[in-house]
Amino acid sequence: GAVVSQHPSRVICKSGTSVKIECRSLDFQATTMFWYRQFPKKSLMLMATSNEGSKATYEQGVEKDKFLINHASLTLSTLTVTSAHPEDSSFYICSARDLAGAYQETQYFGPGTRLLVL
Amino acid sequence: SQQGEEDPQALSIQEGENATMNCSYKTSINNLQWYRQNSGRGLVHLILIRSNEREKHSGRLRVTLDTSKKSSSLLITASRAADTASYFCATRVTSGSRLTFGEGTQLTVNP
Repeated sequence: GAVVSQHPSRVICKSGTSVKIECRSLDFQATTMFWYRQFPKKSLMLMATSNEGSKATYEQGVEKDKFLINHASLTLSTLTVTSAHPEDSSFYICSARDLAGAYQETQYFGPGTRLLVL
Repeated sequence: SQQGEEDPQALSIQEGENATMNCSYKTSINNLQWYRQNSGRGLVHLILIRSNEREKHSGRLRVTLDTSKKSSSLLITASRAADTASYFCATRVTSGSRLTFGEGTQLTVNP
């Protein structure tokens, strides 16, 4: 099946710094990538949807200046948490759709990135 | 708003037993998908069932869909300790729309 990787798997940073998380589709082209946030023992909350080469579409309540998303190529999307604060600590998961593949309805998920802001 | 609600929130069984998880949703859907998430990891796609399908099988997994009741169930037969994980249902209203996740069921299979 299709593979999505994320880097880093976990990161600890100081309050006020910015953190970049990379999401890559390893063996398929992802025209659409999704970024989710998950709190402990909770479901996934969609933050934004990004299409290659265009601006991301953010969900209501998600600050676009806080969570910068770039989808510059068909295999890479990045999420930058700017001026991170302790309340940004969470598990961030990316996902990608292979619209050209046999399983177009399936979203493939990365392993997640655990962010801890001190 | 959350489309899916899952029942039960937590389920603990013995190895070898069957596990049944239910998912209810509110609007008409194009398809419903089940995912598994091991603790601290990403989601793994298990099975997709379309709105015109009533039942699908994949190995030890059996998924049913009742569109009149807006509900789906996931049955894991002959459970193993390795099946311990959170299970989420997710719906798509149309083929191009986003996935909306339920709250999940935490399954614990005791050896």
